Amino acid sequence: AQTVTQSQPEMSVQEAETVTLSCTYDTSESDYYLFWYKQPPSRQMILVIRQEAYKQQNATENRFSVNFQKAAKSFSLKISDSQLGDAAMYFCAYNYNFNKFYFGSGTKLNVKP
Amino acid sequence: KAGVTQTPRYLIKTRGQQVTLSCSPISGHRSVSWYQQTPGQGLQFLFEYFSETQRNKGNFPGRFSGRQFSNSRSEMNVSTLELGDSALYLCASTRTGNQETQYFGPGTRLLVL
Repeated sequence: AQTVTQSQPEMSVQEAETVTLSCTYDTSESDYYLFWYKQPPSRQMILVIRQEAYKQQNATENRFSVNFQKAAKSFSLKISDSQLGDAAMYFCAYNYNFNKFYFGSGTKLNVKP
Repeated sequence: KAGVTQTPRYLIKTRGQQVTLSCSPISGHRSVSWYQQTPGQGLQFLFEYFSETQRNKGNFPGRFSGRQFSNSRSEMNVSTLELGDSALYLCASTRTGNQETQYFGPGTRLLVL
């Protein structure tokens, strides 16, 4: 069964510093997609970054980058130069089949000024 | 391009009643998925519709049902509401539903009294 685990329920980072959120997943598939979504207090889920499993290169989007370790089934999110607007719940998600998404339990990120 | 819209945004019902929530996907998107989000259970997949057919289903009782119309708009219905059905209901759309990024609506917050 596919599972997604986020072992850090809550994390804090100082503004302008770097923080890494962890995610591991369990799958027997070889071709799948991984996502990080952000959910601010408004509750609107926003895509942060996505990674195709067949690509060895780690995805990056401005200040957001991932460390994708396929063999270890690990998919961490690094946020550089943290900003107050980054404060939100972050969800890791896995998808391998027609729109069947599996989400982790989320990590609440606090950003301190 | 307009995003995913959900109506209503907030709803208060009493136990035993039924409720219908609506989701309009992004124009051109034919796949719509529904999720229930609660503090205790996180994001749980309800079902996914593509071209008016339910293609995937999560582990929810039969009180939860849905449908999709020819214009890709989707509705979900919950009958005989229970207190535990209080949650944020999110819908998400993709173009084909095959390993694509899901775009989420703002959600409908349902409170069952």
